[in-house]
Amino acid sequence: DAKTTQPNSMESNEEEPVHLPCNHSTISGTDYIHWYRQLPSQGPEYVIHGLTSNVNNRMASLAIAEDRKSSTLILHRATLRDAAVYYCILRASAGGTSYGKLTFGQGTILTVHP
Amino acid sequence: GAVVSQHPSRVICKSGTSVKIECRSLDFQATTMFWYRQFPKQSLMLMATSNEGSKATYEQGVEKDKFLINHASLTLSTLTVTSAHPEDSSFYICSAIPTSYGYNEQFFGPGTRLTVL
Repeated sequence: DAKTTQPNSMESNEEEPVHLPCNHSTISGTDYIHWYRQLPSQGPEYVIHGLTSNVNNRMASLAIAEDRKSSTLILHRATLRDAAVYYCILRASAGGTSYGKLTFGQGTILTVHP
Repeated sequence: GAVVSQHPSRVICKSGTSVKIECRSLDFQATTMFWYRQFPKQSLMLMATSNEGSKATYEQGVEKDKFLINHASLTLSTLTVTSAHPEDSSFYICSAIPTSYGYNEQFFGPGTRLTVL
């Protein structure tokens, strides 16, 4: 499985933007880039996903490098409720035994200061 | 939005007993569900893929006779930890993919914390 590399931790102040980087230099042409986050003692929560183009939704934006070897999750205005572990995951597209499976790495622990 | 529940949320049992954990998709049908376990301060580890009406597919290193998975309906998958031992104590999390969504988004349950004494 293609792997991702994320910083162990990042800090932000409330109401400031946060840019969470992810490197995935071995990504294949059909892998989707997914982001999930996990609050303490809870199951993960879907944040956003993309393939080639930048994506926006109500929670965040996803900026994907032109060569797709890296991506950045952008939280436009961090709140205290955004403090969580953020996981960048590559998901195989249709076909093969890995279809649909998510392989979680260590993720980035985001701390948001008031 | 799509909601996944797990029951129980916490369970404490004695070594040697079996424990069943239920994962339900409350407002959608899910052909595929996944089971993960998570040890303290570690990431989630995929244990198995559960497909409705067929046998589960286990990840390498996961004992299928110890972790029995049954996906008998489109809204329910169960994980039974047989003859549990203290090393099985962990946070067990399921996820489900709505049949109509493709694989764009998985919905996770709140997790079940198992403590084996």
